[in-house]
Amino acid sequence: QSALTQPASVSGSPGQSITISCTGTSSDVGRYNFVSWYQQHPGKAPKLMIYDVSHRPSGVSNRFSGSKSGNTASLTISGLQAEDEADYYCSSYTSSSTRVFGTGTKVTVL
Amino acid sequence: EVQLVESGGGLVQPGGSLRLSCAASGFTFSSYSMTWVRQAPGRGLEWVSYISSSSSAIYYADSVKGRFTISRDNAKNSLYLQMNSLRDEDTAVYYCAREGVSPWFDPWGQGTLVTVSS
Repeated sequence: QSALTQPASVSGSPGQSITISCTGTSSDVGRYNFVSWYQQHPGKAPKLMIYDVSHRPSGVSNRFSGSKSGNTASLTISGLQAEDEADYYCSSYTSSSTRVFGTGTKVTVL
Repeated sequence: EVQLVESGGGLVQPGGSLRLSCAASGFTFSSYSMTWVRQAPGRGLEWVSYISSSSSAIYYADSVKGRFTISRDNAKNSLYLQMNSLRDEDTAVYYCAREGVSPWFDPWGQGTLVTVSS
């Protein structure tokens, strides 16, 4: 049950696009289309941003999008805004029927 | 409004026990699987345990297997996490979350802090 691998930090200027990667294995990310993404502001509970690789829940901005290729999933934030500054985590279902989170990425808006 | 409220956290000595509760409201609790997730201070999210809607399927992270027990009472709209043989590394904010049709978590509770220290 090793954590999925994410970059520790990603930054961008307002209006730019950034992409956060989430690398797993053929037993989790690569096997199932059950990757989800969460945004967490300091001191707050996580919030679901993307589910099933690329689906956005109602109320989440269309500036957030998800994709997957092989064992790596990605979250793209377009038109970066100050309010997007937060920690982001990916999660995947695994072949053991457990769930696993990514190591987390701190997004900084310059 | 869909809401999850955790309780039961606190300070406990190593080797001790604690029982967390999660009260659900605003949705048909008995129709949803539930999950516990924890976050150690300054660290990332760690999935802890899953229970299906009827309690027929239960899974644990290796780090808590044999020490933690997840359960639910659908009549009381409540989820529980019994934590035994607690270790320093179990210190974390514990969140309960509802699972969707597939394994995603929404919403989350506000979390309850468990501190294991002598």
